[in-house]
Amino acid sequence: SQKIEQNSEALNIQEGKTATLTCNYTNYSPAYLQWYRQDPGRGPVFLLLIRENEKEKRKERLKVTFDTTLKQSLFHITASQPADSATYLCALGVSGGYNKLIFGAGTRLAVHP
Amino acid sequence: EAGVVQSPRYKIIEKKQPVAFWCNPISGHNTLYWYRQNLGQGPELLIRYENEEAVDDSQLPKDRFSAERLKGVDSTLKIQPAELGDSAVYLCAEGQGTNTGELFFGEGSRLTVL
Repeated sequence: SQKIEQNSEALNIQEGKTATLTCNYTNYSPAYLQWYRQDPGRGPVFLLLIRENEKEKRKERLKVTFDTTLKQSLFHITASQPADSATYLCALGVSGGYNKLIFGAGTRLAVHP
Repeated sequence: EAGVVQSPRYKIIEKKQPVAFWCNPISGHNTLYWYRQNLGQGPELLIRYENEEAVDDSQLPKDRFSAERLKGVDSTLKIQPAELGDSAVYLCAEGQGTNTGELFFGEGSRLTVL
């Protein structure tokens, strides 16, 4: 069956450390992958897009990798801050007439001072 | 700048009652989505519009859910009658319509069915 797996348990890290979140998928062949941030009671906010032919993308303190062989994307936040605390959703862009987004359940990140 | 306005933000109803949610994609992108997000889960697509045409409603429970997007701008999502399992956050999003474009979400409408 098709699955997208993100760490269901919250990730707790100290301020200043690098947070690494994982997105694994099975039985999908995504053309691209997106990461979103979602704060409690708010809608998701787009962060980064990476395509299947790209290995790595960076934006300020954020870095995303995409390994289509391992069927995995890693999302890194360097020099993490308490303000980075949120739920992070990965979304696969899969073909279905048009490229549609399939979201994972998200991983909650808590950055402690 | 993109912006999506949704209302109401919160709605509590008894089961078997009807409910409607409204979405205004202020920036006017052609593509509009309705997603449902259950607690602890990611958003799940209900319906996608290109202008006023519903191009993907395969996951919309058509026995009780309906949606419309008149004039290709505002959209409404209706549930009639609501069931306990419909309790969720209903998110509206707009997209640029490109194959890899980001989605801009509204704040969502939280529905509680008692």
